[in-house]
Amino acid sequence: QKEVEQNSGPLSVPEGAIASLNCTYSDRGSQSFFWYRQYSGKSPELIMFIYSNGDKEDGRFTAQLNKASQYVSLLIRDSQPSDSATYLCAVNIKAGTALIFGKGTTLSVSS
Amino acid sequence: NAGVTQTPKFQVLKTGQSMTLQCAQDMNHNSMYWYRQDPGMGLRLIYYSASEGTTDKGEVPNGYNVSRLNKREFSLRLESAAPSQTSVYFCASAGTYSNQPQHFGDGTRLSIL
Repeated sequence: QKEVEQNSGPLSVPEGAIASLNCTYSDRGSQSFFWYRQYSGKSPELIMFIYSNGDKEDGRFTAQLNKASQYVSLLIRDSQPSDSATYLCAVNIKAGTALIFGKGTTLSVSS
Repeated sequence: NAGVTQTPKFQVLKTGQSMTLQCAQDMNHNSMYWYRQDPGMGLRLIYYSASEGTTDKGEVPNGYNVSRLNKREFSLRLESAAPSQTSVYFCASAGTYSNQPQHFGDGTRLSIL
């Protein structure tokens, strides 16, 4: 059974701090990694995605991959109260087109 | 730019009733997906369609059927609704390959009494 694991949280950080969210995956052949943000009562919204060839930075967000340890992280710099949400990690499976989602980490940014 | 459109947004059913959830996308995507989301369970894949004319079971297909009507539309049917199917249902679409991101609709909140 291919799995994606996330700490459910809540992860609490003060405004302006760096929030670090992590995700581990079981399928060593996984090649694409996605981070979604979901506000309460809303649908998942894509933040960023990376492939197995490297990390990516987009504004305040950085996604990093550690293939040897099979985990991917999302760093949010200068955290804002508006970043308070649940963050879902998703990983592609080796065959087919379906992604596997983790259960999400709840982030709370206090002002 | 509509993206992925789901109808209805809310629905209340009685046990045993049938219902079809509709999903349409205007991004010319080949792949479409149906998920359910329950508290503490995350997103669970019900069915997906990698391309027009094909459908495959996901993690939790029991009690559901799907139809890929054309490239744009992918419907989910509950033939005989059960309280255990009370959930939020999301439709998503993506390009052809699994390394392309999925884009989600706003969801259907379904309650079965």
